[in-house]
Amino acid sequence: DGGITQSPKYLFRKEGQNVTLSCEQNLNHDAMYWYRQDPGQGLRLIYYSQIVNDFQKGDIAEGYSVSREKKESFPLTVTSAQKNPTAFYLCASSIALRGQYGYTFGSGTRLTVV
Amino acid sequence: QKEVEQDPGPLSVPEGAIVSLNCTYSNSAFQYFMWYRQYSRKGPELLMYTYSSGNKEDGRFTAQVDKSSKYISLFIRDSQPSDSATYLCAMRSIIQGAQKLVFGQGTRLTINP
Repeated sequence: DGGITQSPKYLFRKEGQNVTLSCEQNLNHDAMYWYRQDPGQGLRLIYYSQIVNDFQKGDIAEGYSVSREKKESFPLTVTSAQKNPTAFYLCASSIALRGQYGYTFGSGTRLTVV
Repeated sequence: QKEVEQDPGPLSVPEGAIVSLNCTYSNSAFQYFMWYRQYSRKGPELLMYTYSSGNKEDGRFTAQVDKSSKYISLFIRDSQPSDSATYLCAMRSIIQGAQKLVFGQGTRLTINP
C-alpha cells in the first residue's frame, strides 16, 4: 500500500541536542511538507519542497533544517537553535499541482524535550 | 489577523445530533477548500474537498462554501461516537507554482453515546 512513513513515533531530545525526524513516501508525489502542530494553534508550515534538491522555508523555519536528496525522502532536523521544540510533527506529500487536491499525511512524530 | 479562523471548541453533542463546523478566511486567492479529520495521535486524513462556492455531499457529510462571505462549513448528520475527532479546515492557493495549504486551528468534537 502507498503511503507516508514517519519515524520514530516518539522522540526525546536533551537540551542542546540536534535530532532528525524521518519521512519517507512511496506515492511518487513531487511535493513534500513539514508541519508542526501545537495545541490550539493548528498546523504551521516549517519547510516544503517541490522537487529534489530544492526546498523553501515556511512560516516557522527558524531552528529547523531539511534536505531533499531523493524524491521519496524529506528528513527534518530540529537543531539546538529551536528553543521550544516540544510538539507533534507531521510530514505530508502531494502531487504538485494536478490530480489529487490536498495532502496525504504521515502518522506524525511526537518530540519531547527532557 | 490569521488567514483562516476556526473555533477550537471543544464541541460536545449527543449521538444522532447534527453537527455544524465552520471556518472563516480573509484571502480571496483561496480556490479549493478542504476538511480533514484527525484522530488523537494520528495524522489528518482528507475528508472532503470543494472548489469555489456551493455544496458537496458525501454520505452523512456535507461541505458548504460561500466565497462571497469567505465562510465554509462542514455538516455531519446522524453523528456517531466514531466521528469524535479534531476537524481541520484547510484552504489551497498556488504561490509561485507551489501548492500551499493553510489550516485552521481545528475544532475538537466529541459525540456522546
